[in-house]
Amino acid sequence: RKEVEQDPGPFNVPEGATVAFNCTYSNSASQSFFWYRQDCRKEPKLLMSVYSSGNEDGRFTAQLNRASQYISLLIRDSKLSDSATYLCVVDDNFNKFYFGSGTKLNVKP
Amino acid sequence: GAVVSQHPSWVICKSGTSVKIECRSLDFQATTMFWYRQFPKQSLMLMATSNEGSKATYEQGVEKDKFLINHASLTLSTLTVTSAHPEDSSFYICSASQSSYEQYFGPGTRLTVT
Repeated sequence: RKEVEQDPGPFNVPEGATVAFNCTYSNSASQSFFWYRQDCRKEPKLLMSVYSSGNEDGRFTAQLNRASQYISLLIRDSKLSDSATYLCVVDDNFNKFYFGSGTKLNVKP
Repeated sequence: GAVVSQHPSWVICKSGTSVKIECRSLDFQATTMFWYRQFPKQSLMLMATSNEGSKATYEQGVEKDKFLINHASLTLSTLTVTSAHPEDSSFYICSASQSSYEQYFGPGTRLTVT
């Protein structure tokens, strides 16, 4: 079983749409959670950390459900520039990152 | 701040040769550096974790004699792919950390072995 699982997509949405991604993780002892964004042939870039209380950064909202061991990312008012692969990342509490395979988002005009 | 560089960004080598990839933290001291590999349409897979001045810790299935890691200073780690084969062709990404929770990624090195 993979440590982190994501729906690979692609999610094809029109500009202005709201889209949500989920991710599940297997290690209940995991402490830190992140969403990274990766553009084609580039390195991952941190989008936001995910806290138990949920957190919001502009059009992006991340939530963590420890009981069900899943993390979500909501993007409102999608822009063309949001097109990318979104990686769910879980830290096993020993500073070791486990990456999901990513969810591809295509925002169309 | 927190910039990590990698060199080279792209390399082509012949089968059987060795390739060295450098990872540098430019504006901070990295106590720990990580090396990842990413095959097309797959996720990043951690290969090894290295702490400055000590031997790297390799993930299961990663050959330490094939992927030599040196972390000689707080700003530089190197990964040497020895006796490269076409199946080693991949995107190699390093990250550097100075705390327990954040990793800063380098821009990656695309290796093609012919």
